[in-house]
Amino acid sequence: QKEVEQNSGPLSVPEGAIASLNCTYSDRVSQSFFWYRQYSGKSPELIMSIYSNGDKEDGRFTAQLNKASQYVSLLIRDSQPSDSATYLCAVFYGNNRLAFGKGNQVVVIP
Amino acid sequence: EPEVTQTPSHQVTQMGQEVILRCVPISNHLYFYWYRQILGQKVEFLVSFYNNEISEKSEIFDDQFSVERPDGSNFTLKIRSTKLEDSAMYFCASRWGTGGGYEQYFGPGTRLTVT
Repeated sequence: QKEVEQNSGPLSVPEGAIASLNCTYSDRVSQSFFWYRQYSGKSPELIMSIYSNGDKEDGRFTAQLNKASQYVSLLIRDSQPSDSATYLCAVFYGNNRLAFGKGNQVVVIP
Repeated sequence: EPEVTQTPSHQVTQMGQEVILRCVPISNHLYFYWYRQILGQKVEFLVSFYNNEISEKSEIFDDQFSVERPDGSNFTLKIRSTKLEDSAMYFCASRWGTGGGYEQYFGPGTRLTVT
């Protein structure tokens, strides 16, 4: 079983719409979850962290965590062309390392 | 805003050669990491480093790899005898530590090309 799974293919959304990304993880003990944005050829950039069940909002981004279902999601409201990137779900494992999903590519169409 | 820096941005080397990738973590951060990303694949953990010793390493981090914090600011990754399959982006990351969150901040990366 993969540690972190992001199964959706590329997501195309019109400018101004909401983009919704999902992630599941395998280790019930994990307590710390992150979303990174990665532009092509660049490094991961931290955009959200979430530690407790429920929603956490930061600007146009909302992260949602459900530990019982081992599920993390990211909503991007009012999507902009600059949001076009790959979004990486990451889970902090064993007190020492991040495990990343494969990422979801988001394309915002003007 | 403080950031992680890495040098060089691109390193080309021949198979069997040694390379050293350099990183300057964010000052006052206590935990340091190396990750790599092969083109088109996911980001993979290599090693974590705290209090001048390795905390955890992955299966990728074999005897060909080593890390060092030679002074108060630099953090290096050495690959002793590079292989073609070592070609990847190598990212250094750091996080604050005790009492803080677990957020890791990544440097811009070094693209390693082994020919």
